[in-house]
Amino acid sequence: DIQMTQSPSTLSASVGDRVTITCRASQSISRWLAWYQQRPGKAPKLLIYKASSLASGVPSRFSGSGSGTEFTLTITSLQPDDFATYYCQQYNSYSLWTFGQGTKVEIK
Amino acid sequence: DVQLVESGGGLVHPGGSLRLSCAASGFTLSNYWMSWVRQAPGKGLEWVANIKQDGSEKYYVDSVKGRFNISRDHAKNSVFLQMNSLRVEDTAVYYCARDYGGNPAYYYGMDVWGQGTTVTVSS
Repeated sequence: DIQMTQSPSTLSASVGDRVTITCRASQSISRWLAWYQQRPGKAPKLLIYKASSLASGVPSRFSGSGSGTEFTLTITSLQPDDFATYYCQQYNSYSLWTFGQGTKVEIK
Repeated sequence: DVQLVESGGGLVHPGGSLRLSCAASGFTLSNYWMSWVRQAPGKGLEWVANIKQDGSEKYYVDSVKGRFNISRDHAKNSVFLQMNSLRVEDTAVYYCARDYGGNPAYYYGMDVWGQGTTVTVSS
């Protein structure tokens, strides 16, 4: 099974900051990675798929990069709505998905 | 509007059963894979199961294999999760999500989610 590890687990930042979240896969997953945002009490929201493709309606301050085993989600100029938990998800294994454990972005 | 609405959650004793439903609207359900994802209290997301458009392929996380069954009924525009032999550790909010399973080259993420339904397994 492919394991996904995110770092850090928690990140403290201020409005306007640039933040970067890392996701590492236990084996190469090419570019088959998605990122989701989850606000408290809400369903997850797709941000990025195929490592760097922005989902429909997602602001351009969100970007993704990486391939193989290491990936990053970057938020430039953090906005109040961006304080949430972020999850990566691999889809390299045919229809067997796994998520990272999540990274909480909190207000400093 | 494209929408998914889950129902069927509740309180059940260990060893019991529940059937979750996910009603789709605003899109043609038969064109998409569908997934169930759960989130235990205070924990992260865990993918549980998915099903191909025609129901011919189904996949499960190891911890639910042999206990859960995912199915779909296009006449009812719905996806279901039959959960048997429930355990305390199955306690979670269960989300259904529109998915694109199969070949990763044609995968676009789980792009539509329901609001979730809560399953509590407790004696």
